[in-house]
Amino acid sequence: QAVVTQEPSLTVSPGGTVTLTCGSSTGTVTSGHYPYWFQQKPGQAPRTLISSTNNKHSWTPARFSGSLLGGKAALTLSGAQPEDEAEYYCILSYSGDREVFGGGTKLTVL
Amino acid sequence: EVQLVESGGGLVQPGGSLRLSCAASGFTFTEYWMTWVRQAPGRGLEWVANINQDGSDKYYVDSVKGRFTISRDNAKNSLFLQMNGLRAEDTALYYCTTKDFWGQGILVTVSS
Repeated sequence: QAVVTQEPSLTVSPGGTVTLTCGSSTGTVTSGHYPYWFQQKPGQAPRTLISSTNNKHSWTPARFSGSLLGGKAALTLSGAQPEDEAEYYCILSYSGDREVFGGGTKLTVL
Repeated sequence: EVQLVESGGGLVQPGGSLRLSCAASGFTFTEYWMTWVRQAPGRGLEWVANINQDGSDKYYVDSVKGRFTISRDNAKNSLFLQMNGLRAEDTALYYCTTKDFWGQGILVTVSS
């Protein structure tokens, strides 16, 4: 089974920019992996930020964006706010429609 | 308003069974693949199983194959997860999701 890798932790300054990545042990991540990005705060259910690489939802703050970068899926936060401190997960779809989550990135805004 | 409401969780002994249900509303259920995701205490998210729109395709993480069965009733806008042969490592909060929308989760505890 494929392994999906994320940075375990990242720190960003308020107002700063940070990029979280999502890689695959099978090679380059493409749009065909339909990467999704989720935000989870303590004690809460996950919330979807980005669907299928770069599609935002009505509730997704404009400061979040999704892309493919350097063979990985990427979530970029531009203009970090204190409320963005959370755990962020990506998920990739593989052939046969099995899916694998990354281990999550704990983002600190400090 | 989109709602996904899980039910059926609880405390069960190792080897026991539980059936989780997820009631969906506020969106066209028949247009979506549906997925179960779980989160063990203090751990990350784990994809468990998914099912296509008409229920003809189902996929499972290796650790639950042969023990869990995902199903859906499109007439009742409902998703299910039949869990048999439960193990301590199945203890988790189980979420019903379309990957765009999420339920609040239901706790399953496997312990003697």
